[in-house]
Order: sequence, then C-alpha cells, then structure tokens
Amino acid sequence: SAVISQKPSRDICQRGTSLTIQCQVDSQVTMMFWYRQQPGQSLTLIATANQGSEATYESGFVIDKFPISRPNLTFSTLTVSNMSPEDSSIYLCSVQSGGRSGYGYTFGSGTRLTVV
Amino acid sequence: SQQGEEDPQALSIQEGENATMNCSYKTSINNLQWYRQNSGRGLVHLILIRSNEREKHSGRLRVTLDTSKKSSSLLITASRAADTASYFCATDAADSWGKLQFGAGTQVVVTP
Repeated sequence: SAVISQKPSRDICQRGTSLTIQCQVDSQVTMMFWYRQQPGQSLTLIATANQGSEATYESGFVIDKFPISRPNLTFSTLTVSNMSPEDSSIYLCSVQSGGRSGYGYTFGSGTRLTVV
Repeated sequence: SQQGEEDPQALSIQEGENATMNCSYKTSINNLQWYRQNSGRGLVHLILIRSNEREKHSGRLRVTLDTSKKSSSLLITASRAADTASYFCATDAADSWGKLQFGAGTQVVVTP
C-alpha cells in the first residue's frame, strides 16, 4: 500500500495567520482526500484533490478558507487560511491504497494544529 | 456529515477479554471499513468488508456486515494493552467517488 509523508506533524499558530500542510505519496495516485478531525470528534471530509483540476469541496468548506494545490500525482498541500481558534484540529490527508477502490485507504500521520 | 453512529462510545476491558463495537450507517454502500487511531495520530486501516460479504476475519479481528439492517460489528478477540485506541467505521458509499463517511468512533481502553 501507499506510504504518505505528512508535514508538519504539529504546529501552534497565531490567529489570523495561515498554515500550509504538505502530503507526499510514494506512488502516483489520482485522488487525494483531505480530512479534518476536531477535538474529540470523528473525521470530516474537507475536499477531494485531483491532479490537473480544481479541488472539490464538501458542504461547509470553501476554497478561500482551505485552498488546495495538487501540482502532480504524488503531492498535495492544504492551506488553513486566516486561522481562528475554531480551526484547532487534526488535519489528515488520505489516498486509496493500491490506487483503486475496494482496498481501503492510507492516511498520513496527521497535523495537529493549535490556534492561539 | 457523519454517515452513522457507533456504540459504545467508550469501552474499558481487561487484557484477554474480547471487545465488540457496532456501527450503523444510512445509505447504500460499496464497502465498509474499520480503522484504528492511536492518541490522535493517523488512522490505520484494519479491515474492509464488501457489501456482498457477511463476515470477514483478519488475525484477531472479526467483522460482520448486515446490509438489511445497515449495521456492522467489529470484534477484537483476546485484547492486548496495545489495542488501546479509538476505532472508527467508515463507509464507501455507492455514489461517493471514493469519499469515506466516518462513524463517531469507539474509544477502547485495555488494561493489563
């Protein structure tokens, strides 16, 4: 299955600033997924990132707040913009294991963000 | 939004005992998956069961799926302290294009 390197693992940021999270996959994948996990909660999908096209955002998430880049088939970034304490969460990227459906998903190790 | 619910929310057992957790979902699915998360870190894929399967085993894990009731269960046999983690079910819905919908999770604590 794919291996994902996610950076940074954690950060403490001032409100009003932005943080960019990176995910590097060791194989080419068509779709990458970005999730948010608020404290004590489950995972919620933010957006799906396809190489060569605009990311598709889920209800409640907008591009201005969470811009995503997908410059090639092994890399993606998620930026959390103009942060507030409510953005304090774990952010995770994910890809389909084996590059196709029916084989589960591989997740990055997560970025624990604290906004003060 | 979350696909469904898991119960119990928390489970505390002793080493050697079995741990059972349940998951319910709402829509038609291609498959249902179980993940483990240790201390707020990344998720680890445990097992996947397809919509046409009823039971699946992997080591000490046993998963059942009842599509008529839209429910699944995960059984961990002979629990170990290292099994202490949060467990999430996630559904890959029929029209989701690969998007997972996660349950609320069950926090399992296994004491020596």
